[in-house]
Amino acid sequence: GNSVTQMEGPVTLSEEAFLTINCTYTATGYPSLFWYVQYPGEGLQLLLKATKADDKGSNKGFEATYRKETTSFHLEKGSVQVSDSAVYFCALPNSGGGADGLTFGKGTHLIIQP
Amino acid sequence: NAGVMQNPRHLVRRRGQEARLRCSPMKGHSHVYWYRQLPEEGLKFMVYLQKENIIDESGMPKERFSAEFPKEGPSILRIQQVVRGDSAAYFCASSREFKSDTQYFGPGTRLTVL
Repeated sequence: GNSVTQMEGPVTLSEEAFLTINCTYTATGYPSLFWYVQYPGEGLQLLLKATKADDKGSNKGFEATYRKETTSFHLEKGSVQVSDSAVYFCALPNSGGGADGLTFGKGTHLIIQP
Repeated sequence: NAGVMQNPRHLVRRRGQEARLRCSPMKGHSHVYWYRQLPEEGLKFMVYLQKENIIDESGMPKERFSAEFPKEGPSILRIQQVVRGDSAAYFCASSREFKSDTQYFGPGTRLTVL
């Protein structure tokens, strides 16, 4: 089945710093790729997605580009805020795509200091 | 449009008891997924269901765990004879009726086994 590897944290940054969280994947075909965010004590929220190669997903200042040549989907934000402190998960479908369970990375805990 | 609902939010059981976790998908969603998040770990897929059918249960432990999604009512994840290792957060997600790979998550049920 498909798999995903993301950088482990915690990642600690100062407010307004540039953020990159690395994510690489192994997959059959070209499935959709996702970033989810989990705030303390809450469930996961979809942050952004990309459905095909070279697509860029974006939301709330976060971006990620689907790179098939490097099998990567790195999450970036130009200027982080304290409110961005959370755990971020990279994910893709378990196998063929479509309606399917998701495989998640282990999560990256992001801490933003004022 | 209400999101995915889960109840209870917190559940405490003693070893050997049964735990029942409920999930109501978003309106118009007929695909339900269950995931488990152990402390300090990412989410692990457990089971994928459609109305009255189990589509993929490859992530379910072989014993004590079962899931259903009846024609009427919420999806139920049942854990019989709970053990301390079952303590975790259990998340439900749902996706639309026709083919879609975007899943929306509930707030989770945090199970504690004493």
